[in-house]
Amino acid sequence: KNEVEQSPQNLTAQEGEFITINCSYSVGISALHWLQQHPGGGIVSLFMLSSGKKKHGRLIATINIQEKHSSLHITASHPRDSAVYICAALRSTDKLIFGTGTRLQVFP
Amino acid sequence: DSGVTQTPKHLITATGQRVTLRCSPRSGDLSVYWYQQSLDQGLQFLIQYYNGEERAKGNILERFSAQQFPDLHSELNLSSLELGDSALYFCASSVAERAIEQYFGPGTRLTVT
Repeated sequence: KNEVEQSPQNLTAQEGEFITINCSYSVGISALHWLQQHPGGGIVSLFMLSSGKKKHGRLIATINIQEKHSSLHITASHPRDSAVYICAALRSTDKLIFGTGTRLQVFP
Repeated sequence: DSGVTQTPKHLITATGQRVTLRCSPRSGDLSVYWYQQSLDQGLQFLIQYYNGEERAKGNILERFSAQQFPDLHSELNLSSLELGDSALYFCASSVAERAIEQYFGPGTRLTVT
């Protein structure tokens, strides 16, 4: 079993839909990252959070430390949101452990 | 543009060869991280350097080595290459020693034939 699990693996949505991607981890962490990887391969760091909730534009990330669970929400999804979304847990050893990613496709 | 540069963008080489991947961190960042992304293993942390010193080690093979130079750029050396080493190699940088916020480079796509 992976230490960081994401669901779903693949997600298809119509433009405008509200999207949720989930991340569960089984290890102690000091922070959790959400990353976005574009079809060309480039990776962008979206959020780093250790508690509560963060919002940036149409993206919202939440984390529940007790339940070892984080969610990434996209409101009013757009085709340009199509990408792979990866969560990564930061261990106390300062090593990032990555989930396998969620491939999102948003159709117009 | 994250400010992190990696060269080359693409690299094709044969099994048994040795290659060097280069990473220049964002201006002012002291930490450099190397990651490997392969189709079967996903993203994996390889190694971190902070201000020239090795800081943390992940799943880095003995055939691989890295270093960070006084000007803070870093090189990842891959030797005795195998087909399974074909992957995207990313570096990331951060200002701090701890991986609180990282900025990723565009990656080097290595193909071993």
